[in-house]
Amino acid sequence: QVQLQESGPGLVKPSETLSLTCTVSGASVGIANYYWTWIRQPPGKGLEWIGNIYYSGSTKYNPSLKGRVTISIDTSKNQFFLRLSSVSAADTAVYYCARDGDSTGRGYFDYWGQGSLVTVSS
Amino acid sequence: SYELTQPPSESVSPGQTARITCSGDALPKKYAYWYQQKSGQAPVLVIYEDRKRPPGTPERFSGSSSGTTATLIITGAQAEDEADYHCYSTDSSGNVGAFGGGTKLTVL
Repeated sequence: QVQLQESGPGLVKPSETLSLTCTVSGASVGIANYYWTWIRQPPGKGLEWIGNIYYSGSTKYNPSLKGRVTISIDTSKNQFFLRLSSVSAADTAVYYCARDGDSTGRGYFDYWGQGSLVTVSS
Repeated sequence: SYELTQPPSESVSPGQTARITCSGDALPKKYAYWYQQKSGQAPVLVIYEDRKRPPGTPERFSGSSSGTTATLIITGAQAEDEADYHCYSTDSSGNVGAFGGGTKLTVL
């Protein structure tokens, strides 16, 4: 059974950096054919694709985040990570990690974490 | 960034057919994926590659795509289908993903 679990601070101050970890069990982040993805959802709003990472470390990001986002991976710990810098209240959201089970990363999100609410406030 | 457009809301009577549309410039070349999200829960994939059902998706869910519009179809909607539905696809390069704004489906 594949499971993903987000972890990290629930409160971040404006202008600081948001950091989240996704710990994966039941599957390896170090093998080909899957893309490991971050998605967020502001309260009461729709989903936003943040970006993804392949086991090799290759990344794709949403250009709307204007270079503030970094996704990395640690295959030895079976984890991948999100860092979002210079946060503002607009970054308040539930952050999900998910597995894209399509070998080319087209959007077959078959497993999701339960979501982690991050609030940006002083 | 790439944009997909969905209607904010749709309503359907129990037993009737619901159709939810998703429009995007790259949809003639890229697949659409559909996710169902119930209140307080993570989304669940219900349709992939425009029209295919993953294991566990009821047969009343189907999908189609024509030109710049993909459509999720629920034939014989049930009360349990009341949820938010989100489409997903990528831009023409395949490098940028996007969700539609989501459609709240009411079954009443």
